[in-house]
Amino acid sequence: AQKVTQAQTEISVVEKEDVTLDCVYETRDTTYYLFWYKQPPSGELVFLIRRNSFDEQNEISGRYSWNFQKSTSSFNFTITASQVVDSAVYFCALSQSSGSARQLTFGSGTQLTVLP
Amino acid sequence: SAVISQKPSRDICQRGTSLTIQCQVDSQVTMMFWYRQQPGQSLTLIATANQGSEATYESGFVIDKFPISRPNLTFSTLTVSNMSPEDSSIYLCSVVGAARSYEQYFGPGTRLTVT
Repeated sequence: AQKVTQAQTEISVVEKEDVTLDCVYETRDTTYYLFWYKQPPSGELVFLIRRNSFDEQNEISGRYSWNFQKSTSSFNFTITASQVVDSAVYFCALSQSSGSARQLTFGSGTQLTVLP
Repeated sequence: SAVISQKPSRDICQRGTSLTIQCQVDSQVTMMFWYRQQPGQSLTLIATANQGSEATYESGFVIDKFPISRPNLTFSTLTVSNMSPEDSSIYLCSVVGAARSYEQYFGPGTRLTVT
């Protein structure tokens, strides 16, 4: 069985602060995929990143960066110089790779509030 | 990435009635998924709908309550039957971006309120 844990239910920061959202996962698969999604107040789910289990390189995209550590089963997400528009619920998710399965197991989400 | 639309975007329904939610994709996709997001909660997979086969339901979801159709590679419907207030949720469809891709894209969701 797969499981994704986002221990931080809510985080509040002041604009321009850096913030890290934690994600810990459990899976028996040796090959798997990890994702981050953003859900702003409007409700749509915005794809941010996908990482496969063989690629442990950290990734940076603008103010966003992701730290994948297989040894600790973590896939943390950092926003640098946060902005009010970053306020949203962020979900970490896991997908197995066996057979044709692609369904996602989601964490409980972290509500990020960036204050002006 | 695929562009996904859902209809209706929101609805308020009475207890005991049924609502059919439509999901349209701008390209042909093999795999389509239906998720439920209850208020303040995370997303839970309802079923996987692949064209040409019966939908596969997750534990806790049954076909009589959530019948799904997948008539072609760009369209699917989810019906929420005999609704109760506990069915008030956002219902989202999603697709895998490409045949070998694991990137999954979501529709804008249908906000359902049952009174």
